[in-house]
Amino acid sequence: AQSVTQPDIHITVSEGASLELRCNYSYGATPYLFWYVQSPGQGLQLLLKYFSGDTLVQGIKGFEAEFKRSQSSFNLRKPSVHWSDAAEYFCAVGNPWNTDKLIFGTGTRLQVFP
Amino acid sequence: DAGVTQSPTHLIKTRGQQVTLRCSPKSGHDTVSWYQQALGQGPQFIFQYYEEEERQRGNFPDRFSGHQFPNYSSELNVNALLLGDSALYLCASSLEGSTDTQYFGPGTRLTVL
Repeated sequence: AQSVTQPDIHITVSEGASLELRCNYSYGATPYLFWYVQSPGQGLQLLLKYFSGDTLVQGIKGFEAEFKRSQSSFNLRKPSVHWSDAAEYFCAVGNPWNTDKLIFGTGTRLQVFP
Repeated sequence: DAGVTQSPTHLIKTRGQQVTLRCSPKSGHDTVSWYQQALGQGPQFIFQYYEEEERQRGNFPDRFSGHQFPNYSSELNVNALLLGDSALYLCASSLEGSTDTQYFGPGTRLTVL
């Protein structure tokens, strides 16, 4: 069965520190992978996506993610976190036939201390 | 250019009642998907509408139904509400055949008492 696991429910970092959010997926074929961010009272905003090609993907707001097939992972990274990055982050997997039908992980809540 | 809009923002219902949620897609989009996001969980795909028909459906009971209108807007209907239906309902829109990914609305918070 297709699934996404985000092992960290809650992460706290200091402003300016580096960040890595973990995501592992289970999918029978080559997955389409996504990272979304959700601020309180807001919908989901796409940070980046991986469909094929270069396994290091650059996104908005200084985020990047690396697809590692051997580890079934798609971890999200940022070299220096800003206070405005505090939010809920969701990893999701989709398929080539319908990239709108996504399976989401349970999310990681990021808290940033000044 | 307005993005995806949803109404109402919040809604309170009691068990057994019926509810209708509304979604207007981003300008130029023709496909609408609905997701349910329970507290502390990631969104779960309910169904997708294209050309006024349900194209794909997730693992949700028949109490969940929808509709798409000729102007591409959509409604989500839930009958016989259960306490477990309390959630944030997200609508997302996209353009069929486009390489651009879907855009999400802010959601409707449904509370069932």
